[in-house]
Amino acid sequence: ELKVEQNPLFLSMQEGKNYTIYCNYSTTSDRLYWYRQDPGKSLESLFVLLSNGAVKQEGRLMASLDTKARLSTLHITAAVHDLSATYFCAVYSGGGADGLTFGKGTHLIIQP
Amino acid sequence: KAGVTQTPRYLIKTRGQQVTLSCSPISGHRSVSWYQQTPGQGLQFLFEYFSETQRNKGNFPGRFSGRQFSNSRSEMNVSTLELGDSALYLCASSSTMLAGAFNEQFFGPGTRLTVL
Repeated sequence: ELKVEQNPLFLSMQEGKNYTIYCNYSTTSDRLYWYRQDPGKSLESLFVLLSNGAVKQEGRLMASLDTKARLSTLHITAAVHDLSATYFCAVYSGGGADGLTFGKGTHLIIQP
Repeated sequence: KAGVTQTPRYLIKTRGQQVTLSCSPISGHRSVSWYQQTPGQGLQFLFEYFSETQRNKGNFPGRFSGRQFSNSRSEMNVSTLELGDSALYLCASSSTMLAGAFNEQFFGPGTRLTVL
């Protein structure tokens, strides 16, 4: 059974600081996704990582994937308040279906 | 291109009743997946439909069922509601037209179900 673990689950940080969210998964997978969720809202797709060594950047967010270590990171550079949200990583389970296994999410609060 | 739509957005039911939720995928998407989100269990995969066939199913009791129509719209049904079924139910669609496509999933706004 595929397990996805995120850490930390809760992060409070100051504007301007850098931080990294980690996502570990238990079995081989060739697809990893990062989503953002604002309170009371749905999931917004941030990044899709498809291969070992993949790195994607959008604004102050950068995601990377190491399939050998079964680890993905979401790095936040010079955080701003608007990035406050819950961030989820999700791993494709395989088997020809499209079900995703999600981590429990990292609740990020960025304070001025 | 219009996004994934879900109806209704909010629903209040009592224990023992049944409920049907609807999802319309992005035009051209043939795969629809359903997820349950609760504070305690997080996001959990319910099932996925492609071309009117259920391709995969998560670890939920048989009270949770679904179907997909020829236009790719999908419905999810929960019978004999329990208090623990209170959750945000999210629908996601993806395009699986090309071999090797990464099948990125796009989520709808969700249906907030409250069981009293």
